[in-house]
Amino acid sequence: ETGVTQSPTHLIKTRGQQVTLRCSSQSGHNTVSWYQQALGQGPQFIFQYYREEENGRGNFPPRFSGLQFPNYSSELNVNALELDDSALYLCASSSPIDRAVEETQYFGPGTRLLVL
Amino acid sequence: GEDVEQSLFLSVREGDSSVINCTYTDSSSTYLYWYKQEPGAGLQLLTYIFSNMDMKQDQRLTVLLNKKDKHLSLRIADTQTGDSAIYFCAESRAKDDMRFGAGTRLTVKP
Repeated sequence: ETGVTQSPTHLIKTRGQQVTLRCSSQSGHNTVSWYQQALGQGPQFIFQYYREEENGRGNFPPRFSGLQFPNYSSELNVNALELDDSALYLCASSSPIDRAVEETQYFGPGTRLLVL
Repeated sequence: GEDVEQSLFLSVREGDSSVINCTYTDSSSTYLYWYKQEPGAGLQLLTYIFSNMDMKQDQRLTVLLNKKDKHLSLRIADTQTGDSAIYFCAESRAKDDMRFGAGTRLTVKP
């Protein structure tokens, strides 16, 4: 069983550019969530994808968008990058087989984005 | 909005017990979690508890939940230097997003 993987590990962009981050979910997991973790803070929920559809969204502007593919891997796209977008971006996967039982999310190592 | 709060720092001696505290405001929280983050790494799920439980023990880890006061704690018995990390408390409802605290940096002194 493979864990959650993310690519790239580090990325440097300039203000106004666009970025795409990638995530492969843990084997058997069909739900992917994305989080932004600014330096010294806890992760903030961006959005979640379940069976290729957005399944919930946090307080992030529309320039943060995502995709989920049939193999359950996912992308996070950020347009018009701002300096405050510099953060660690975490992907987490889970498999809510039955909504009545626990759903635990397993996190990848993250992509560290620096916007200059 | 809903908040999760933790103290920022905790320092203990090796072999002692560590207790990390967390408070939350969302009374509809269903699941409560503790995650560990080591430098430069992602989050590692340590343990979780359902809101209808008041205690869960898993080896050196004991989680206590006071739902009335919306207070969650994590006790690490026999703390080791390898336990030095940032510990995040998080809560969620039945699905979707999790809300995290800012993390407690645990330092274990030899």
